[in-house]
Amino acid sequence: GIQVEQSPPDLILQEGANSTLRCNFSDSVNNLQWFHQNPWGQLINLFYIPSGTKQNGRLSATTVATERYSLLYISSSQTTDSGVYFCAVGDAGGTSYGKLTFGQGTILTVHP
Amino acid sequence: KAGVTQTPRYLIKTRGQQVTLSCSPISGHRSVSWYQQTPGQGLQFLFEYFSETQRNKGNFPGRFSGRQFSNSRSEMNVSTLELGDSALYLCASSLALSGVGYTFGSGTRLTVV
Repeated sequence: GIQVEQSPPDLILQEGANSTLRCNFSDSVNNLQWFHQNPWGQLINLFYIPSGTKQNGRLSATTVATERYSLLYISSSQTTDSGVYFCAVGDAGGTSYGKLTFGQGTILTVHP
Repeated sequence: KAGVTQTPRYLIKTRGQQVTLSCSPISGHRSVSWYQQTPGQGLQFLFEYFSETQRNKGNFPGRFSGRQFSNSRSEMNVSTLELGDSALYLCASSLALSGVGYTFGSGTRLTVV
């Protein structure tokens, strides 16, 4: 099956700093989403971005499908950005429909 | 509008018992998917339902099963519980089968003792 690797595994920042999270995937995808898991376990959908670039406030994401990677940018980080960020992809082959394969996540800690 | 509702939030069961978890999707969403999250294996796909039919299944033993009702609500069942089944079980719903724009519930944390 498709493999998803995220880097870095851990990231510690001071409030106000910028960061870039990376997601590499091993095969063509028809679906790529970024999620934030808060300390209570809830997964929040940040972006649906199988290709191209999107921005939402301080967050933006870029996926280069031909090179099989996606980047999530967080600018002017805040303590509320802390949590785990997951990249999840849907395999373009076969009949995977809505099945997502998740990376292992990046644990982000933002200190005041 | 109401989000994805999972019940119960917490559950403690004894090894060998069975358990049923419930998921009510966002109104109008017809696709429901289930995921298991553990510290060791991360987030793993269990199954997906659309219009009361299982469309996809992950690599889990037959002890894990599910169903979807005509109102799109879904249940998953785990029989003969093992200690390794302790996990956060997450349900997600989306409008279409493609899984675009998943919305997750808060999860059910199952502890098997």
